[in-house]
Amino acid sequence: GDSVTQTEGLVTLTKGLPVMLNCTYQTTYSPFLFWYVQHLNEAPKLLLKSSTDNKRTEHQGFYATLHKSSSSFHLQKSSVQLSDSALYFCGVGGSNAKLTFGKGTKLSVKS
Amino acid sequence: EAAVTQSPRNKVAVTGGKVTLSCNQTNNHNNMYWYRQDTGHGLRLIHYSYGAGSTEKGDIPDGYKASRPSQENFSLILELATPSQTSVYFCASGDGTKDTQYFGPGTRLLVL
Repeated sequence: GDSVTQTEGLVTLTKGLPVMLNCTYQTTYSPFLFWYVQHLNEAPKLLLKSSTDNKRTEHQGFYATLHKSSSSFHLQKSSVQLSDSALYFCGVGGSNAKLTFGKGTKLSVKS
Repeated sequence: EAAVTQSPRNKVAVTGGKVTLSCNQTNNHNNMYWYRQDTGHGLRLIHYSYGAGSTEKGDIPDGYKASRPSQENFSLILELATPSQTSVYFCASGDGTKDTQYFGPGTRLLVL
């Protein structure tokens, strides 16, 4: 079946620094990749999605590029803010309606 | 924005009891999903549905049943609740693999 591997655990950064959260995936189908963000005590919400190889996708200052050659869809931001503290999930969609998520990466931004 | 609601928001159940979690969506999406979220495991798919009358097993279906009586409603049923089912449960709706999934606010379930 499909699988997703993310940067594990907690990433702690000082405000204003860049961040990259890793995501690699396995699927036998043409992949559709997602990043969801979940703030404390809230529901997950879509941040980014892409199925186009080597094209950068951006939203709310975050960006990611799908690289099918390396099965990766890393999430980046050039300057993190306190409000970016949240749990981030990478997901891959395959041939049916299912979406498979990674275990999530918690980002904590300090002042 | 798409709307997904869940009830109850919090539930305390006893071991061996029956628990029903309800989800309603007003987006007219064909697909609905039930996930559980546990620290260290992320979001894991329990059951999903392609439309009224259909239910499919997800990645961790054991101990759970699902029911989709209409386009709008999707229930998750724990016939014999166990403490290992203590978790936060999220319902979501969407229209396919490439479509955004919209999540409800979650239900916190504690099984004693």
